[in-house]
Amino acid sequence: GAVVSQHPSRVICKSGTSVKIECRSLDFQATTMFWYRQFPKQSLMLMATSNEGSKATYEQGVEKDKFLINHASLTLSTLTVTSAHPEDSSFYICSASRGLVYGYTFGSGTRLTVV
Amino acid sequence: GEDVEQSLFLSVREGDSSVINCTYTDSSSTYLYWYKQEPGAGLQLLTYIFSNMDMKQDQRLTVLLNKKDKHLSLRIADTQTGDSAIYFCAERYGSSNTGKLIFGQGTTLQVKP
Repeated sequence: GAVVSQHPSRVICKSGTSVKIECRSLDFQATTMFWYRQFPKQSLMLMATSNEGSKATYEQGVEKDKFLINHASLTLSTLTVTSAHPEDSSFYICSASRGLVYGYTFGSGTRLTVV
Repeated sequence: GEDVEQSLFLSVREGDSSVINCTYTDSSSTYLYWYKQEPGAGLQLLTYIFSNMDMKQDQRLTVLLNKKDKHLSLRIADTQTGDSAIYFCAERYGSSNTGKLIFGQGTTLQVKP
């Protein structure tokens, strides 16, 4: 079945530094990937839609200069949290679509803690 | 705008059936999904239903769709302790192959032995 690999699974970084999260589709090509953020005991909030070879589409209220997205190939999208602050601490999840019937396959998520 | 609503918590005894309910607002939704999330993990697709279907059954899972009321439910038969998790319903917003998913708040299912 479709697998989306997300790394790292957990990261602790110092305030002011940048963190890169990778999302790879292992056995299928994904022209579009999605990045979500989830706060404890809350639902997933779509941050941006990552399109291969073009600029990402950000949801309202999401700072594009803060959350840099690069989708350089059909199997890899990256999210970089720049100049991280404690309020950026959250669970970040990526997903990719194989097509309508299969829905979306999710990565295992990245727990970011900014200290 | 699009919106998906779920009840937040459900507690059942092992062996009973669980029914998780969801309402949505976008009448043009083509696919509706149920995902399961265990603590600290990503989302696992459980099942989906196409908008021209009323019911879909897959082993212990039964999905019912009432398009008129925009109501979706997930029934888990013979609920086990391993079913304890958060369950999200989601509707596909937009008609393209890359339409985004809109999630409900998630229903925490607690299964008591």
